[in-house]
Amino acid sequence: AQSVTQLDSQVPVFEEAPVELRCNYSSSVSVYLFWYVQYPNQGLQLLLKYLSGSTLVKGINGFEAEFNKSQTSFHLRKPSVHISDTAEYFCAVSPSGGKLIFGQGTELSVKP
Amino acid sequence: EAGVAQSPRYKIIEKRQSVAFWCNPISGHATLYWYQQILGQGPKLLIQFQNNGVVDDSQLPKDRFSAERLKGVDSTLKIQPAKLEDSAVYLCASSPRQGVGEKLFFGSGTQLSVL
Repeated sequence: AQSVTQLDSQVPVFEEAPVELRCNYSSSVSVYLFWYVQYPNQGLQLLLKYLSGSTLVKGINGFEAEFNKSQTSFHLRKPSVHISDTAEYFCAVSPSGGKLIFGQGTELSVKP
Repeated sequence: EAGVAQSPRYKIIEKRQSVAFWCNPISGHATLYWYQQILGQGPKLLIQFQNNGVVDDSQLPKDRFSAERLKGVDSTLKIQPAKLEDSAVYLCASSPRQGVGEKLFFGSGTQLSVL
């Protein structure tokens, strides 16, 4: 069975510091990988996705993620965070292009 | 462009009562999804429609949950009767088409509390 594990439920960080949100998955078939963000009182929005090609994917708002097939990981990174990045971040996989399976979410809290 | 609209925003009911949620997807989006998000967990797909046909309802508890998408536009999700464990946020999402890597557009959700 396919699954997604987000290793940190909460990540506190100071403004302008770098951040990494970790995501590991398990799947017996090829997967497509996504990161969604949910700002307070808003719906989920797509940050970035990996379908094929370069393993380093750039998304909106300065975020990027790297697909590592040997480690079955798809960690999200940003070199310098802003207060406005405070939100919940969800990693998701789509095994063989099927339905999305979401992780439990990581709450990023950026402090001044 | 208007986003995915959901109503109501909040709903509080007692167990064994019934409840219905409404979703209006982005105009022209053929694919519509209902997700259940329990506190502390990621969203879980309940049902996926392609136009007015069901593509996947394998995780929908059909003894109490039902959903329809008449005319391939708006959709309603109903729970009857509700249980305490149905307390969650119900998210509606839409996409222009069904396909690999399609971006989903989410509504703000309906937060259900079953007492």
